[in-house]
Amino acid sequence: GDSVTQMEGPVTLSEEAFLTINCTYTATGYPSLFWYVQYPGEGLQLLLKATKADDKGSNKGFEATYRKETTSFHLEKGSVQVSDSAVYFCALRSGSEKLVFGKGMKLTVNP
Amino acid sequence: DSGVTQTPKHLITATGQRVTLRCSPRSGDLSVYWYQQSLDQGLQFLIQYYNGEERAKGNILERFSAQQFPDLHSELNLSSLELGDSALYFCASSVEPWGSGDTQYFGPGTRLTVL
Repeated sequence: GDSVTQMEGPVTLSEEAFLTINCTYTATGYPSLFWYVQYPGEGLQLLLKATKADDKGSNKGFEATYRKETTSFHLEKGSVQVSDSAVYFCALRSGSEKLVFGKGMKLTVNP
Repeated sequence: DSGVTQTPKHLITATGQRVTLRCSPRSGDLSVYWYQQSLDQGLQFLIQYYNGEERAKGNILERFSAQQFPDLHSELNLSSLELGDSALYFCASSVEPWGSGDTQYFGPGTRLTVL
């Protein structure tokens, strides 16, 4: 079945550091790919998405490019802030309507 | 604020009991999804409704059931509760269920603690 594998962390970075969170997927067909973020004590928020190969999703300084050849959707940000501290989930949706999530990665950014 | 509301925010109950979690989707969204988030299982899809009809089932236990009402709000019923049912339960909604790129918007969740 469909699955998502992502870095689990936890990861601690200093403010202004570069962030990469790796995400790879296995799916039949042509999935849409998503990054969701969960801030402490809150629900999941959509961070960005890409619906076809080579699409780049971007939001709040975060970017991810849908790479069909490597089945990847890595999340990057050039300079993280303390306010980016959260849990990040990679997810896919393919054919069926449900989202399939990775296990999530907790990021802590220190000033 | 996603526009999806869930009540209650927290629920503490005992083993063997039954609880009901409530979700109101975003205005205009016809599809509602329920997910369970636990430390050992991560985020797991439970069940989906579209315009009042069950559309897809995931890893939902037989002790659990859900429904979507004519006003489109949904309820998740959990019965004969066990310690392992303690988790965060999320509701999400989307406009329609068949576009894989269609975004699901999540509520803040209900934290269930079974003692």
